[in-house]
Amino acid sequence: AQSVAQPEDQVNVAEGNPLTVKCTYSVSGNPYLFWYVQYPNRGLQFLLKYITGDNLVKGSYGFEAEFNKSQTSFHLKKPSALVSDSALYFCAVRGGSGGSYIPTFGRGTSLIVHP
Amino acid sequence: DVKVTQSSRYLVKRTGEKVFLECVQDMDHENMFWYRQDPGLGLRLIYFSYDVKMKEKGDIPEGYSVSREKKERFSLILESASTNQTSMYLCASGGTSGSYEQYFGPGTRLTVT
Repeated sequence: AQSVAQPEDQVNVAEGNPLTVKCTYSVSGNPYLFWYVQYPNRGLQFLLKYITGDNLVKGSYGFEAEFNKSQTSFHLKKPSALVSDSALYFCAVRGGSGGSYIPTFGRGTSLIVHP
Repeated sequence: DVKVTQSSRYLVKRTGEKVFLECVQDMDHENMFWYRQDPGLGLRLIYFSYDVKMKEKGDIPEGYSVSREKKERFSLILESASTNQTSMYLCASGGTSGSYEQYFGPGTRLTVT
């Protein structure tokens, strides 16, 4: 069975500082990995994905994520946080070719960026 | 841009009522999904559909049913609403080859009293 862990319920960071939101996963075969963001009272918005290729993936709003196969991690990063980045972030995984195409989501991490 | 719309943003129903939540997508996606979102529990899959009239149970199908009569439309039905079904319901489409990511609707916050 596939699973995702987001070990931090909440991450606090000062505006202008770098941020990291952690995600580790377990899946059979090659993973397809995703990050989504949810603003209050809204649906989830896709941020970025890793399917294959370069381990460093760049996405929307200046976010990036690094795929680390040996550590089975896919941490979300941003060099300089903005107050407007404050939101709920979800990591998701699904199996690659031949695996389950139904994604499994983490429980979410609340990012709070302080002015 | 992909658009996924849901019939209601907020809904208040009484215990025992039949509730219909409708979702429409405009990108010709084969796959559509219904999730419920509760604090601390993340997203839990209720049902998904991979084609018209095709459906599969997710992790928490009890108390729910679905209908997909047209490719663009996926309905979630609560046959007899109960207070423990008070939640945020999210519809999504996509996840097939070529893009893999899902596109979500704005959500319906359902309160059952």
